[in-house]
Amino acid sequence: DIQMTQSPSTLSASVGDRVTITCRASEEISSWLAWYQAKPGKAPKVLIYKASTLKNGVPSRFSGSGSGAEFTLTISSLQPDDFATYFCQQYHSYPYTFGQGTKLE
Amino acid sequence: QVELQESGPGLVKPSETLSLTCAVSFDSISSSFTWWSWIRQSPGRRLEWIGEIFRNHSTNYKSSLKSRATISLDSSKNQFSLKLTSVTAADTAVYYCARTSVPYYDVLTGDPYYYISVWGKGTTVTVSS
Repeated sequence: DIQMTQSPSTLSASVGDRVTITCRASEEISSWLAWYQAKPGKAPKVLIYKASTLKNGVPSRFSGSGSGAEFTLTISSLQPDDFATYFCQQYHSYPYTFGQGTKLE
Repeated sequence: QVELQESGPGLVKPSETLSLTCAVSFDSISSSFTWWSWIRQSPGRRLEWIGEIFRNHSTNYKSSLKSRATISLDSSKNQFSLKLTSVTAADTAVYYCARTSVPYYDVLTGDPYYYISVWGKGTTVTVSS
């Protein structure tokens, strides 16, 4: 199985900050990576797919980059609604696998 | 916008079968060109993909769960289901149903790739006597 290593596990930041989360795959996955936002009691929401494509309706302060085995999610200017948990997922190979999550607080 | 809603018992006894259903709204599972998936997250652990089913009833499973998991479609009710047999405490988790995107094709190989585009809110299942 492809292992996804996400860092950091926790990130302390303030409104207006620029933050970056990293996800590394244990093998090359081309650009077949998605980023999600999760909040307690709510359905997780896809933000980015194909490593850098912003899902319709997602604010442009979210961006993704990378290919191969190293990827980043950047939030350019944190808003109050952005404090949540973020996780990456590879969909290059079965079984699909996820990063362990980054809690943004 | 498609909506997914999980339902099923919140408590299952060890060695018994966990059964969950996902009701799909605003999409048709029998005509959609997407996969219908189950994913879970046990306490303190990362999300774990369990498996998926296509409209033609083709399935894919995580190999370590394949012997115990069955995903099925009920087109008449527009829902899909998960059965997990011989459960133990390790199967205690929040279970999510999900739908993938339509396929995106690799420009070199032509292979299709699907990301998970819509999730349900999840349902908590505890395995305990």
